[in-house]
Amino acid sequence: EVQLVQSGAEVRKPGESLRISCKASGYSFATYWIGWVRQMPGKGLEWMGIIYPGDSNVRYSPSFQGQVTISADKSSNTAYLQWSSLKASDTAMYYCARRYSGTYGAWGQGTLVTVSS
Amino acid sequence: DIQVTQSPSSLSASIGDRVTITCQASHDISDFLNWYQQKPGQAPKLLIFDASNLQPGVPSRFSGSGSGTHFTFTIGSLQPEDVATYYCQHYHNLLPDTFGQGTRLHIE
Repeated sequence: EVQLVQSGAEVRKPGESLRISCKASGYSFATYWIGWVRQMPGKGLEWMGIIYPGDSNVRYSPSFQGQVTISADKSSNTAYLQWSSLKASDTAMYYCARRYSGTYGAWGQGTLVTVSS
Repeated sequence: DIQVTQSPSSLSASIGDRVTITCQASHDISDFLNWYQQKPGQAPKLLIFDASNLQPGVPSRFSGSGSGTHFTFTIGSLQPEDVATYYCQHYHNLLPDTFGQGTRLHIE
């Protein structure tokens, strides 16, 4: 069974750094793209970017380029999303999802990130 | 990048009603469009892929149609458990992928 398990909720202050994770199991991690999706409170889904763990090829949405960094570790079957300096506007739920033939059929449970002074 | 415009943003219907949601693409996207359901407090769930193909395990009252620039998602007979927000999603081999703005479905 394909499973994506995300790290727990985080509370940070503006300006702090953060890395959240998405651990995959039940399939060959290196051979499927994993994407990240933001959902701000009460809002819709926003596609942030995606990584192919096999060669660490990363693509970002223009809206998120330079704002976040996506990475992956094949040895631990884990994808990451990180910020170097958080803003209050980064407060949101973040989902990882496995991409297959353009579809996102498996999703993590989400990680709530709260940025507040 | 290709834009997808989803409508309506909100919809209220009665149990048993036929419900339709549309997505309009800014350019021809063939059938590269999927539909998702997101219930409150849950991750999205894939319902329809490649415009008209039902994901295994999804009830047959859900269907999709269209190609090119105009796409339709339909619930044939609305059930109470269908209260959710529905999203279309365009994909492209060259990326990025794009979600529609979402349609919040309520029961009257």
